Amino acid sequence: DADVTQTPRNRITKTGKRIMLECSQTKGHDRMYWYRQDPGLGLRLIYYSFDVKDINKGEISDGYSVSRQAQAKFSLSLESAIPNQTALYFCATSDPGTAEETQYFGPGTRLLVL
Amino acid sequence: AQSVTQPDIHITVSEGASLELRCNYSYGATPYLFWYVQSPGQGLQLLLKYFSGDTLVQGIKGFEAEFKRSQSSFNLRKPSVHWSDAAEYFCAVGNFGNEKLTFGTGTRLTIIP
Repeated sequence: DADVTQTPRNRITKTGKRIMLECSQTKGHDRMYWYRQDPGLGLRLIYYSFDVKDINKGEISDGYSVSRQAQAKFSLSLESAIPNQTALYFCATSDPGTAEETQYFGPGTRLLVL
Repeated sequence: AQSVTQPDIHITVSEGASLELRCNYSYGATPYLFWYVQSPGQGLQLLLKYFSGDTLVQGIKGFEAEFKRSQSSFNLRKPSVHWSDAAEYFCAVGNFGNEKLTFGTGTRLTIIP
């Protein structure tokens, strides 16, 4: 089984709808991240969480919110989706207990907002 | 602020030829550097990373990268590419703790027979 899973893998929604993307991990990592990927722009950080009680905004947090329900779960919500939120969304985890901290990525959720 | 530049948007190489993907970074201290690969329809897989020590690092799938502080570069190389190497490659720089991992815009690699 994959260490970092994302659901759904694909989602089509309409402008103005609220949607939630979910991320679960079995790696036991404390840190979790949400990125979006747009063609030609690489990956940009939306939110990150160092533990259940610590959530931080990233580079492009406007229009998004997150919830860290447990160490293993980190959800990203679009309160009122708009077309320019169409993108590929990645969740990642890392373990601060290691000197060589590395982020591990899920398979991504492809979101289309009509 | 840290930043990463991948100057080549798209590279095409013949199968069996050598490959070098360029990455330049901007960071005030000693950076943590990464190369990730994204195959079509897949997530990101870590190829290799540099934190300290030997400036030539070996990764998976026969890739290597060399950290050159004087040139602020971390170029990815492979002596002989395979058709399965066709993918998009991302260079990233992180700080200590890596809560600020910054990615380049990616280089798409096409392999021709």
